Amino acid sequence: GENVEQHPSTLSVQEGDSAVIKCTYSDSASNYFPWYKQELGKRPQLIIDIRSNVGEKKDQRIAVTLNKTAKHFSLHITETQPEDSAVYFCAAAPTSGTYKYIFGTGTRLKVLA
Amino acid sequence: NAGVTQTPKFRILKIGQSMTLQCTQDMNHNYMYWYRQDPGMGLKLIYYSVGAGITDKGEVPNGYNVSRSTTEDFPLRLELAAPSQTSVYFCASREGHPSSYEQYFGPGTRLTVT
Repeated sequence: GENVEQHPSTLSVQEGDSAVIKCTYSDSASNYFPWYKQELGKRPQLIIDIRSNVGEKKDQRIAVTLNKTAKHFSLHITETQPEDSAVYFCAAAPTSGTYKYIFGTGTRLKVLA
Repeated sequence: NAGVTQTPKFRILKIGQSMTLQCTQDMNHNYMYWYRQDPGMGLKLIYYSVGAGITDKGEVPNGYNVSRSTTEDFPLRLELAAPSQTSVYFCASREGHPSSYEQYFGPGTRLTVT
């Protein structure tokens, strides 16, 4: 079946450094790739998303890149801050038909002050 | 707008008991979803609905049932609770508009089955 692999499972960076999280998906019908941030005990919240007709999208310190040929997409966080510490999930979904999201297993990011 | 609301926040069930997790959204969204999140894991889709009266299975539907009699409500039913159903359950919704894909999540229900 469809799946999304996410790496690494944990990531520690020094404050001010960059963090990169990578995902690979299997379903060729996937056209929408959101990234969610989940703080401890809270609900997932969308931080950025990208559609397959775009290769890169940026929002302040956060960027997402997509390589549809290789079925890879990545989250880049620059100038990390302690409040960036959380679990980050990627997901892949088709934009027609079932609209089912398949989530990655998450990356626990720790930003060390 | 309250967004997506879920009740209860916490629940402890004994093995074999039944319960319904409630989910309501006030955004007039067509699509609604139920996920479970086991400790340290990602979200697994249990059931979803593309509109009132229409539901379908996700990745892990066994042991659960849903109904969608109105646009606003999407309850999840556990008939015979098992320890394997200990998890955090999230409900989510999104618009039916083809250019809007963002899912909005409820605050979650933490369920323990002992």
